[in-house]
Amino acid sequence: QQQVKQSPQSLIVQKGGIPIINCAYENTAFDYFPWYQQFPGKGPALLIAIRPDVSEKKEGRFTISFNKSAKQFSLHIMDSQPGDSATYFCAASKVRNQFYFGTGTSLTVIP
Amino acid sequence: GAGVSQTPSNKVTEKGKYVELRCDPISGHTALYWYRQSLGQGPEFLIYFQGTGAADDSGLPNDRFFAVRPEGSVSTLKIQRTERGDSAVYLCASSPTVSYNEQFFGPGTRLTVL
Repeated sequence: QQQVKQSPQSLIVQKGGIPIINCAYENTAFDYFPWYQQFPGKGPALLIAIRPDVSEKKEGRFTISFNKSAKQFSLHIMDSQPGDSATYFCAASKVRNQFYFGTGTSLTVIP
Repeated sequence: GAGVSQTPSNKVTEKGKYVELRCDPISGHTALYWYRQSLGQGPEFLIYFQGTGAADDSGLPNDRFFAVRPEGSVSTLKIQRTERGDSAVYLCASSPTVSYNEQFFGPGTRLTVL
């Protein structure tokens, strides 16, 4: 059973565009929602994370929007750059517990 | 400072063989996690340690998989009688404490079972 569902599977945008990646979860006990960026041959690296008591968090060009009632959250990348081309994973967890990851979104930013 | 390191970076073995994968967490981190990432998928939880003890091993797929962390630092994931379906990237992550949410991932060990 997939605890976190992620879409789309792949995304292609032009440089400067705003890719949006969406995730949905079922378990209302989750209280931490990170986004990880992974380059080929590397481990996932934390980009940004949010807790359910806020609806939006922004760090640099990355923004998480969180909708607690719909149990959905999304990642927006402003002014996307070719260097942002990577695979992005959403995840969810409870404190003192494992991460449940989405299936990943492969992003390609065309120069 | 140094991040999480994993050795070897690549391991090729034959079906039925035994393998050990090593993880060196960030110094001082007490929580350590193992995940398995199959091609085109997100990481899937295997086991986590708080100190020396396995706090949750519910993700281990079967009794061929075992992990230890005898001194509360380095951890070894052990796979007996490897099968072709075990082929994946095995990721290790560490965290300052189990109640600190962020997990810092290593580069992974790519295991190929022929």
